Amino acid sequence: NAGVTQTPKFRILKIGQSMTLQCTQDMNHNYMYWYRQDPGMGLKLIYYSVGAGITDKGEVPNGYNVSRSTTEDFPLRLELAAPSQTSVYFCASSYLGKVEQYFGPGTRLTVT
Amino acid sequence: GQQLNQSPQSMFIQEGEDVSMNCTSSSIFNTWLWYKQDPGEGPVLLIALYKAGELTSNGRLTAQFGITRKDSFLNISASIPSDVGIYFCAGLDNNNDMRFGAGTRLTVKP
Repeated sequence: NAGVTQTPKFRILKIGQSMTLQCTQDMNHNYMYWYRQDPGMGLKLIYYSVGAGITDKGEVPNGYNVSRSTTEDFPLRLELAAPSQTSVYFCASSYLGKVEQYFGPGTRLTVT
Repeated sequence: GQQLNQSPQSMFIQEGEDVSMNCTSSSIFNTWLWYKQDPGEGPVLLIALYKAGELTSNGRLTAQFGITRKDSFLNISASIPSDVGIYFCAGLDNNNDMRFGAGTRLTVKP
């Protein structure tokens, strides 16, 4: 199993551009999550999904959108990139009823 | 939401030394998790703790779920260079929200 994979690994965006961060897991996990990691801070939850077709906002959802059309994929969309969205983004997944989350390698995004 | 205070922020130790770090909160948590993050990678789960007082080991790593349910500790014995990284605590609060500490950056000098 590849686990949780994320693409791209790095990206530089100009202010106002849009992009989609891809996340795929092959562990048949029900739950999937998007976090952002800022220097010196704990991970902050952006959005999560408990299954295909169901998504919910986390702690810091503004400026982002998600969709979950399949169990495997959970893309994160930035519509109008802002410098405040410069961060490292992690996707994670977990099995229903389990708290242990498995993380992807991250996407480092810079908005200038 | 409840904050997790993780300390120390960073540690510089000699190879072979033991390491202790902890995570505290003003609120009760139901589950504690400890993760390690290598540079350029995502966090990897080390240990999960499910009830107060629980003590669990994973090789040279030992973690404890504090009896008050407001803290957790991670110890690493006989550190080696590959222990270098950032260690994160995470806790599941009463709202079933997962909270993360800011991390302890560990440097091991050979």
